[in-house]
Amino acid sequence: DQQVKQNSPSLSVQEGRISILNCDYTNSMFDYFLWYKKYPAEGPTFLISISSIKDKNEDGRFTVFLNKSAKHLSLHIVPSQPGDSAVYFCAVGETSGSRLTFGEGTQLTVNP
Amino acid sequence: AAGVIQSPRHLIKEKRETATLKCYPIPRHDTVYWYQQGPGQDPQFLISFYEKMQSDKGSIPDRFSAQQFSDYHSELNMSSLELGDSALYFCASSSPSGGVVDTQYFGPGTRLTVL
Repeated sequence: DQQVKQNSPSLSVQEGRISILNCDYTNSMFDYFLWYKKYPAEGPTFLISISSIKDKNEDGRFTVFLNKSAKHLSLHIVPSQPGDSAVYFCAVGETSGSRLTFGEGTQLTVNP
Repeated sequence: AAGVIQSPRHLIKEKRETATLKCYPIPRHDTVYWYQQGPGQDPQFLISFYEKMQSDKGSIPDRFSAQQFSDYHSELNMSSLELGDSALYFCASSSPSGGVVDTQYFGPGTRLTVL
């Protein structure tokens, strides 16, 4: 069973607009949440993280929102840039430093 | 800044052969993780080491073994290779941040092809 789901396999947005990527999880034991960006033939690149004690974390153009009661997190990228085009994975862990469980990924395409 | 180094980047083996993948973590990182990503799939956790001791074990076949050495690098040994072992193998490293989230930083991966 898929414990972490990214229901949108792909997302296309215009440059300068907001990109919103969503992730849902089933295990209430998950307390740590990370977003990674991945280009083909490269390893996942860390973007931003949040723990369950917070509901929002912001870093430049990237903001992650966590709704623990709904077991849902989202990544907002604003403004979106063509260089943001990549596959975005959400990853979750039960404790800090524990194994990560990944979602299936969302292919983001930002059109100039 | 130094990143996680993996070698080799590409590896082609025949069925039933053995393979060894190496991972060099970011300096001063004491925890190493191995993940396997099949075609069109998300990365799946295999095994992790903290301070040279196995700390967690996931869906790693018995044909695979791994260890972390005194210099903190890690090796994933794969024997009796099968066609289904063809995948990208990622290594990640982390260190206790003293903060809230110990971020795992990933290497570029080793693409293993079994013929």
